[in-house]
Amino acid sequence: DAKTTQPPSMDCAEGRAANLPCNHSTISGNEYVYWYRQIHSQGPQYIIHGLKNNETNEMASLIITEDRKSSTLILPHATLRDTAVYYCIVRVPFTGTASKLTFGTGTRLQVTL
Amino acid sequence: SAVISQKPSRDICQRGTSLTIQCQVDSQVTMMFWYRQQPGQSLTLIATANQGSEATYESGFVIDKFPISRPNLTFSTLTVSNMSPEDSSIYLCSVDQGWAGYTFGSGTRLTVV
Repeated sequence: DAKTTQPPSMDCAEGRAANLPCNHSTISGNEYVYWYRQIHSQGPQYIIHGLKNNETNEMASLIITEDRKSSTLILPHATLRDTAVYYCIVRVPFTGTASKLTFGTGTRLQVTL
Repeated sequence: SAVISQKPSRDICQRGTSLTIQCQVDSQVTMMFWYRQQPGQSLTLIATANQGSEATYESGFVIDKFPISRPNLTFSTLTVSNMSPEDSSIYLCSVDQGWAGYTFGSGTRLTVV
């Protein structure tokens, strides 16, 4: 799985958009970009994933650059409950064989009043 | 998505003893994964557990220290053996939901005194 680089921490005011960047310059053609978050003392939670097109779901939007070497997770209206560590992971999706998930250090997002 | 019940949620143990953590999934899954999260750190994969075969351990983890059982497609246990204070961590089990990403248990917070 390709390595990712994320800023260690970010702050965001409540109600504003939180834009979390991720660099994955060595991503392979068949690897997807996944985002998870871990709220304090809980298990990580899946947020969104994509290959090359921008994706949106009820939680967030994922913007992947055309060369796929970086991406941005967007929380459109951050709330205090979005305070968490956000992990960007690139990997080949489940194929029926070993598909372990490798976590980097993530970005600690602090949402403030 | 699958629901994972993990127990105990927390425990305080004496050094030299062992603790067995249980993970129950509400659907059949081929592979289950065990992670460790040391204080202030990211998640590290301990091993992958397939039903009917021995677990596959990551570098730095050995079966004598972290024996794993996988008796059927919905259940797995991880034992932390001969514990020392350095084993104080959060231990999490997870399953791969394919396109829906990974689902994690709520974790077991272990303190060794």
